[in-house]
Amino acid sequence: NAGVMQNPRHLVRRRGQEARLRCSPMKGHSHVYWYRQLPEEGLKFMVYLQKENIIDESGMPKERFSAEFPKEGPSILRIQQVVRGDSAAYFCASSGGLQETQYFGPGTRLLVL
Amino acid sequence: QKEVEQDPGPLSVPEGAIVSLNCTYSNSAFQYFMWYRQYSRKGPELLMYTYSSGNKEDGRFTAQVDKSSKYISLFIRDSQPSDSATYLCAMRGLEYGNKLVFGAGTILRVKS
Repeated sequence: NAGVMQNPRHLVRRRGQEARLRCSPMKGHSHVYWYRQLPEEGLKFMVYLQKENIIDESGMPKERFSAEFPKEGPSILRIQQVVRGDSAAYFCASSGGLQETQYFGPGTRLLVL
Repeated sequence: QKEVEQDPGPLSVPEGAIVSLNCTYSNSAFQYFMWYRQYSRKGPELLMYTYSSGNKEDGRFTAQVDKSSKYISLFIRDSQPSDSATYLCAMRGLEYGNKLVFGAGTILRVKS
C-alpha cells in the first residue's frame, strides 16, 4: 500500500498520560500535515512539516502538543498530559510539494479516559 | 462567523437522484477548492480539485466554483447507495500557506 499510513489506528490513554501518533507519508512525498477532527466538526489544521523543519504550526495548541518529522522515520505528533478534550480523530496528510494535492491517511482515533 | 459554511445535513435522497452539495465562504483569498468524501471511521478521500471559478466534471461528479458569490457546489448524478458518506469541502489560498480550511461536512444518505 503506497498510501499515507498512520498508527496506531486506535489509542486509549488515561488523563495525564502521553500520546504518540505516527504518520508515514506517501512514497516520494516530503510534506506532512496534521489535522484534528472533533465530533460533529470538520477537520482543523494543526501543523505543516517538511523533513526536519516545522513550516507552519499556527493551528497547534500552545501547550502539551508538539510535532516532528525527522530525517529518517515517520512524523510524530506528541500530546503530553492528555485531557478528555483531546479525544478526537487525528489525520495526517502528505503532498509531494508546495501547493500540491494533500492525500490523507486513515487517521488515529484517540480516546482519553 | 466560520470561514467556510456547510450545511451538516443529513441529506437523504433516493437512488438515482441528482445530489447538490454546497459551501459558502467569507474570504476572497481562497483560490483552490476541493471536495473530499469521508466514509464512516475512514480518512478523507479527494474527489475533485478546482482552481478559481468554473466547472469541472469527472464521471458522475461535477464541481462548480463561483468566486464572485463565494459559493462552491458538488453535483452527483445517478446517486448510488455507495455514495452515502460525509462530503467535506476544503479550500486554500496564498495567505493561508499550504493549509486547508474545511467545512464541517454534509452527511449524505442514498436510499436504495
